[in-house]
Amino acid sequence: DTGVSQNPRHKITKRGQNVTFRCDPISEHNRLYWYRQTLGQGPEFLTYFQNEAQLEKSRLLSDRFSAERPKGSFSTLEIQRTEQGDSAMYLCASSLYSGQIQYFGPGTRLTVT
Amino acid sequence: DQQVKQNSPSLSVQEGRISILNCDYTNSMFDYFLWYKKYPAEGPTFLISISSIKDKNEDGRFTVFLNKSAKHLSLHIVPSQPGDSAVYFCAASAIQGAQKLVFGQGTRLTINP
Repeated sequence: DTGVSQNPRHKITKRGQNVTFRCDPISEHNRLYWYRQTLGQGPEFLTYFQNEAQLEKSRLLSDRFSAERPKGSFSTLEIQRTEQGDSAMYLCASSLYSGQIQYFGPGTRLTVT
Repeated sequence: DQQVKQNSPSLSVQEGRISILNCDYTNSMFDYFLWYKKYPAEGPTFLISISSIKDKNEDGRFTVFLNKSAKHLSLHIVPSQPGDSAVYFCAASAIQGAQKLVFGQGTRLTINP
């Protein structure tokens, strides 16, 4: 059973550019989460999908951020017009509907120059 | 508003001794608690969890204790091994709704030979 995978692992972009990250959850996990972690802090919740439905979004998720999970499988997180403050590790996690343990991917480290 | 706090940024323990990591929470709606271990450039790895209906859960060298009246939990690792050196995050969730995780800031554990 493969774990959660994320691509790319690292992304360096210039301020103002758009970036997109992908997350492939553990197969048959119908819940998918996105978190963001900055240096010295714990991960912070961004958004949550149950199957293909995006059911909750954090106030941290400005309108420059959009996430999708078409067909309830993989998910993408897009950041438009990146700012230096977007530099962080973006983590994806998945879980079963009935389970409370979330399994995390390796993350995508974004650096905005 | 930091709902989950880990007040010790770092902890140094001799190999073979007991490591005790602490975590406090403020939100009474939390009813499930997890500990994750994180190595640099990797995503958090699930270690052990506990439901609010229990006060102790044990898995090999790892034991988590929950004191609901004090809103406090701790992770005991015994005996500590060099491979345990990592950052440990405490997380909490509520069984209702998205079950999103709220993390503490982390404690860096160093095991000295």
